[in-house]
Amino acid sequence: ILNVEQSPQSLHVQEGDSTNFTCSFPSSNFYALHWYRWETAKSPEALFVMTLNGDEKKKGRISATLNTKEGYSYLYIKGSQPEDSATYLCAFIGSNYKLTFGKGTLLTVNP
Amino acid sequence: DAGVTQSPTHLIKTRGQQVTLRCSPKSGHDTVSWYQQALGQGPQFIFQYYEEEERQRGNFPDRFSGHQFPNYSSELNVNALLLGDSALYLCASSLSTNLGGTDTQYFGPGTRLTVL
Repeated sequence: ILNVEQSPQSLHVQEGDSTNFTCSFPSSNFYALHWYRWETAKSPEALFVMTLNGDEKKKGRISATLNTKEGYSYLYIKGSQPEDSATYLCAFIGSNYKLTFGKGTLLTVNP
Repeated sequence: DAGVTQSPTHLIKTRGQQVTLRCSPKSGHDTVSWYQQALGQGPQFIFQYYEEEERQRGNFPDRFSGHQFPNYSSELNVNALLLGDSALYLCASSLSTNLGGTDTQYFGPGTRLTVL
């Protein structure tokens, strides 16, 4: 059974704060890592697909880094806004091409 | 352009019954994946359909089966429902460029299944 861990489980920040959270995954048989944002009452929305060690991707105020050798990815949000409040999910894909999701990090941004 | 749609939104069944959930992919997509999200867990991969065939399968019993139609829409069938099958069932579609590992998936809103 693959272990994809996300931390913290939840966090509360103030509007304007920058924040980051972690996704840990097996460092062997890595193929790709996906990040999703899931707002309450909506569908999960793809943020990034990352494949190469050292990858860094950016979308507006959100960015992500990838370290496949040590098995982790960081997601950063700069200047958090209330609309960033959501659950952030990562999904690991190994050599079997199946997605294994973490449990997510629930972010709440207080105005 | 309609995104991924799923029906029904909510469903209540009793143990032992059978259920069919439906998914229409985003326009232009040819691959459909199904996930189960139990309370407090991340989505778990059930299976993926491409060209009307099951291409990948997660660790789910044979009670879970699926189908993909020529128009790429898909059904998820669950037989002999158990209380533990109560969950949110998500469908995701993508345009297959390889075995699927790097294809961006677009999710539907899910079907909430409650088994009593």
